[in-house]
Amino acid sequence: GAGVSQSPSNKVTEKGKDVELRCDPISGHTALYWYRQSLGQGLEFLIYFQGNSAPDKSGLPSDRFSAERTGGSVSTLTIQRTQQEDSAVYLCASSGGQQSYEQYFGPGTRLTVT
Amino acid sequence: AQTVTQSQPEMSVQEAETVTLSCTYDTSENNYYLFWYKQPPSRQMILVIRQEAYKQQNATENRFSVNFQKAAKSFSLKISDSQLGDTAMYFCAFIGSGSARQLTFGSGTQLTVLP
Repeated sequence: GAGVSQSPSNKVTEKGKDVELRCDPISGHTALYWYRQSLGQGLEFLIYFQGNSAPDKSGLPSDRFSAERTGGSVSTLTIQRTQQEDSAVYLCASSGGQQSYEQYFGPGTRLTVT
Repeated sequence: AQTVTQSQPEMSVQEAETVTLSCTYDTSENNYYLFWYKQPPSRQMILVIRQEAYKQQNATENRFSVNFQKAAKSFSLKISDSQLGDTAMYFCAFIGSGSARQLTFGSGTQLTVLP
């Protein structure tokens, strides 16, 4: 597709369950980012992938959060043992090409932990 | 560390009028990029306009323009001829040219265009 896609659009899960969120970046973009948007914390950076380099995980809030990017394309954000404070919108963005400082966002996944 | 401040949580403007959203930032870097993103109720973050710090000329994109004051670390967004579709949350964002490539966002300004 032409833009960044994310799935699922919405996810409701019970506290303690694991969840996986998927991001499919714009074709050819080498950089991929995950952000979290919550009412209390605004927009926070989580993790950044650039090509085959080791990811920048400096924004991950706890070791329950992890992410991988397979084949330099699709990325999965995994949250283990979800807590109510994990409820938020998780946004994925990608960038690349000549205008590599511009990030293009997907529609996000709204996660609700009950 | 960089910080971005948007001091106007909410603003409103009449349709066809002009409105200016404020943003200030703090950084020790000399080269960086600034952006305004729009987030309508659909949740999709849409890039509105970008400004490179090394360019003195203010960026413009149709009805959207910025007033970039590097010395004052100010980056305001002007929307001319406001339209109902401009109703959204607007975020100011910063990215440095160094190795830390993530965006730092302000807290956002909710703009409502009134008919």
